[in-house]
Amino acid sequence: DAGVIQSPRHEVTEMGQEVTLRCKPISGHDYLFWYRQTMMRGLELLIYFNNNVPIDDSGMPEDRFSAKMPNASFSTLKIQPSEPRDSAVYFCASSSTGRAFFGQGTRLTVV
Amino acid sequence: QQQVKQSPQSLIVQKGGISIINCAYENTAFDYFPWYQQFPGKGPALLIAIRPDVSEKKEGRFTISFNKSAKQFSLHIMDSQPGDSATYFCAALETTSGTYKYIFGTGTRLKVLA
Repeated sequence: DAGVIQSPRHEVTEMGQEVTLRCKPISGHDYLFWYRQTMMRGLELLIYFNNNVPIDDSGMPEDRFSAKMPNASFSTLKIQPSEPRDSAVYFCASSSTGRAFFGQGTRLTVV
Repeated sequence: QQQVKQSPQSLIVQKGGISIINCAYENTAFDYFPWYQQFPGKGPALLIAIRPDVSEKKEGRFTISFNKSAKQFSLHIMDSQPGDSATYFCAALETTSGTYKYIFGTGTRLKVLA
């Protein structure tokens, strides 16, 4: 298995633009998590899904953030409009038995 | 109550020494405690994990010690090597309720000197 696959690896965008981050979880995993990592706040859970259904989105910072999981093999995290304070590394992780596996992350820079 | 407190924030150890990282939690419903290792530019990778029905788990040079009554657990890296230099995160998870919501500590940056 190729593990959790995220794209793009790096994204540089201008303030106000829409940004879409993508994630392909490990096949057979029924939980998917989106995390944001910054030096100041560490690893923050934004949202997680179980069997494609959003379970807890209390970590989503604002309405500018949205996440979808249309099927078991794909999820997106969208930021619209983006702001410089959204600059961070965004990780997707998937799990089935409590063992969560992380992707390589997307480094987002909003200028 | 959902927090996991991790210390120290950074740690410098000589090659061959023992690295010890500590975590504490409040929520007694947590029942799974993994440790993750993260290298620069990479995602966190599962290193070792323990459930509260055992007090210690060892995998190679890595050992988790768990103290249920004190609500503390720690990672010990024996014979630390320069290649162990990374950031380590403890985490706690409540699985019985089906929430599967990982709570991460703030991380410990370990540097092992050659």
